[in-house]
Amino acid sequence: AQSVTQPDIHITVSEGASLELRCNYSYGATPYLFWYVQSPGQGLQLLLKYFSGDTLVQGIKGFEAEFKRSQSSFNLRKPSVHWSDAAEYFCAVGPGMNYGGSQGNLIFGKGTKLSVKP
Amino acid sequence: DTEVTQTPKHLVMGMTNKKSLKCEQHMGHRAMYWYKQKAKKPPELMFVYSYEKLSINESVPSRFSPECPNSSLLNLHLHALQPEDSALYLCASRVTSGSYNEQFFGPGTRLTVL
Repeated sequence: AQSVTQPDIHITVSEGASLELRCNYSYGATPYLFWYVQSPGQGLQLLLKYFSGDTLVQGIKGFEAEFKRSQSSFNLRKPSVHWSDAAEYFCAVGPGMNYGGSQGNLIFGKGTKLSVKP
Repeated sequence: DTEVTQTPKHLVMGMTNKKSLKCEQHMGHRAMYWYKQKAKKPPELMFVYSYEKLSINESVPSRFSPECPNSSLLNLHLHALQPEDSALYLCASRVTSGSYNEQFFGPGTRLTVL
């Protein structure tokens, strides 16, 4: 079955500390992987995506993620967290081909809430 | 224009009201989505339109009625909703040509059903 697992429901880090949010996936085909961020009451903003090529991808706001096929993981990292990074983070997986309609859907993890201590 | 817009931002309605949510994008995306999101949960897919045709209805109750009048506009008509339908309703769109690409999300409509 296709699924995305984010093992950590809630993480608290101190401002300036490093961050790693975990994401594991189970997907039959070659997946396309995404990290989205959602501030309270807002829509989802794409942080970064992995389609192919270099397994370390850079995103916006200083985030990066590393794709590890052998571990079926796509963990999100940031070297120094800012108070404004406090939000909900969703990992998602999509099909490796551009199907329209029913096959072009994302599967979301349950999310990790990030709190930042001053 | 690289954004998805949604109106209204907030909506309060009674269980006997009829209201509509609107979503618009001018990025030329031909796949458009409605999601429902409850607090502390991921978005839950409701409907998918592909080239203005409904391609997925995720067993959504008929009190939710989607409409895609043209390639830029997506509506969600609401009638006789229940309090448990209170949620953030998100619209998204996606490129359907070339290689797969991400979904672009709107800011959402916060719906409260009294």
